[in-house]
Amino acid sequence: GQNIDQPTEMTATEGAIVQINCTYQTSGFNGLFWYQQHAGEAPTFLSYNVLDGLEEKGRFSSFLSRSKGYSYLLLKELQMKDSASYLCAVVDSNYQLIWGAGTKLIIKP
Amino acid sequence: GAGVSQSPSNKVTEKGKDVELRCDPISGHTALYWYRQSLGQGLEFLIYFQGNSAPDKSGLPSDRFSAERTGGSVSTLTIQRTQQEDSAVYLCASSHGLAGPYNEQFFGPGTRLTVL
Repeated sequence: GQNIDQPTEMTATEGAIVQINCTYQTSGFNGLFWYQQHAGEAPTFLSYNVLDGLEEKGRFSSFLSRSKGYSYLLLKELQMKDSASYLCAVVDSNYQLIWGAGTKLIIKP
Repeated sequence: GAGVSQSPSNKVTEKGKDVELRCDPISGHTALYWYRQSLGQGLEFLIYFQGNSAPDKSGLPSDRFSAERTGGSVSTLTIQRTQQEDSAVYLCASSHGLAGPYNEQFFGPGTRLTVL
């Protein structure tokens, strides 16, 4: 079967750095998305990786290792507004998105 | 429109009644997805449309659920004989085409369904 694993919840301090991991086992791979979802709101796109390596976009970076079936989202200089759930989703061989359950990130002052 | 819209934003219904949820995707987006999300849970895939056809209906929980899309645009998700376990937020998303680079999904605000 297809499986996406993420930690259920993480806590970090304002101003610090946090890394949210995602491991996947899917039938084929055509890229990996990260989405952010604030409580009560719809998910919004953060990043897309299809090649190995690190993609940096401001305070957020996303890393992919296809050989290890592994990705992480790195958030730097954390702000209170970063408190949200972060969803990992993998594009399988049929170009369908397989979603993880999401990681709830709690930022403390 | 500028984004994906859904209606109604909230729906409260009695057990056993039918409900119809509507999604207006971003103009020009050929792919349309329906998801369900229970409180504090991840996204549960329901159905996907490419144009007016639904190549993947594997996520529909039961035969009480059906969806259609006409004119390659608006989609409706119908739940017949609603049950309390159907209570959730129903999210619609659209994209230019199959998932991939430059084809991220854009989500609507969702419809919160409560079955009493």
